[in-house]
Order: sequence, then structure tokens, then C-alpha cells
Amino acid sequence: KNEVEQSPQNLTAQEGEFITINCSYSVGISALHWLQQHPGGGIVSLFMLSSGKKKHGRLIATINIQEKHSSLHITASHPRDSAVYICAVYRIQGAQKLVFGQGTRLTINP
Amino acid sequence: GAGVSQSPSNKVTEKGKDVELRCDPISGHTALYWYRQSLGQGLEFLIYFQGNSAPDKSGLPSDRFSAERTGGSVSTLTIQRTQQEDSAVYLCASSPGLYYEQYFGPGTRLTVT
Repeated sequence: KNEVEQSPQNLTAQEGEFITINCSYSVGISALHWLQQHPGGGIVSLFMLSSGKKKHGRLIATINIQEKHSSLHITASHPRDSAVYICAVYRIQGAQKLVFGQGTRLTINP
Repeated sequence: GAGVSQSPSNKVTEKGKDVELRCDPISGHTALYWYRQSLGQGLEFLIYFQGNSAPDKSGLPSDRFSAERTGGSVSTLTIQRTQQEDSAVYLCASSPGLYYEQYFGPGTRLTVT
């Protein structure tokens, strides 16, 4: 079983819909990263958080350390939000490297 | 300011040849990471450097892979005697230190024919 699990693996929605992508992890962490990867493009860091909630534009990320769960929300989704969203964590124990989820492929149709 | 840059952006090589991939991190970033992403797959950690500490090489898939970081800045990932399964996008990232947000380069797409 992967230490970081994302759901859903694929998500298709209509423009304007509210989107939620989930990330669960099974290890103690010091921080969690949400990343975005457009088709054929590079990877962009969206958020890094260790507690509570962060907001940037239409994107909101929350984390519940006790439940070992984080969510990424997109409000008023737009076709340009279509990308793969990746959750990654820094473990407390062990090497200081990111452990990645498998990614969620989001497609927003106009 | 300048982000993380990588070169070349694309590399096609014949099986058995050696290749060198270069990463220029953001100035002042002490941590540098190499990852690999095979077609349709997730990100795979290869190696990271932090300051003057010994690098963590635990993700390197074989002894054909090596990396160095000169002067705490530029890093080179070398793959010797390339195999077809080495075909992937190789990504570099840097951060101000360990446990900080990572900034990714555009990647080098390696194709081994």
C-alpha cells in the first residue's frame, strides 16, 4: 500500500463546478505539498502546509493532521484548471524527501 | 527572479551511450532534488543534495546513475550505458532548505533508442 493515496484518480467536471481532490497518508509528516502538472508541462507548487487551511485565488487547501488527510478544492472551475494534481508529503521519520501520491487527473469541460 | 532551469530540454540518445543532464537551481537554494517521471507514471525520487552534507542517493535505480553538485549550485545527473527503460522526463527541483516548498524545473525529456 502506498504511503500517500489520492482520490479520485480521474475526475471530469463541467466548468463552474466545485472540485475536491483528496489525499490520505499513513505516516507522520512535517508538511504536505500540493503540486500541479499541466499536460506536457512542468510542475508548479500550489501549496505547502502543515496545519489548517491556505487559500490562493480559487484554490483552497486544508489539512487535518490528526486524521492524516488533506483536501484541495477548486471553486468556479475553469478548463484551464485541467491538469494532474499531485499530493506529496515530507515524512517526520526518515529521509527528508517528498513521498508522492499517484496524482489525480482533472478535466474541466467547457 | 530566475527559476530552476534544466538543459537540454530534450535528449535523444542511442542505447549504450552516456548522457549528462544539467540543473541550475534557484540562487541561494541549498537543497536540490532529482526526480524521474516515466510515461504515464508518477514521480520517482532519485537523489537529493543539502548544503555540504553527503547526498541521499537512496533513489538511484542502478549504479549506472550518478549525480554531483559542484560548489553547492549546479548539479549534473549522469546516466552511463543508457538503456531503453531509462527513457523518461528527468526533473530537478530546489528549495531554500529541507522541508521547504520545492520549485521544479521544466524537465529534460530523455529518449533512448
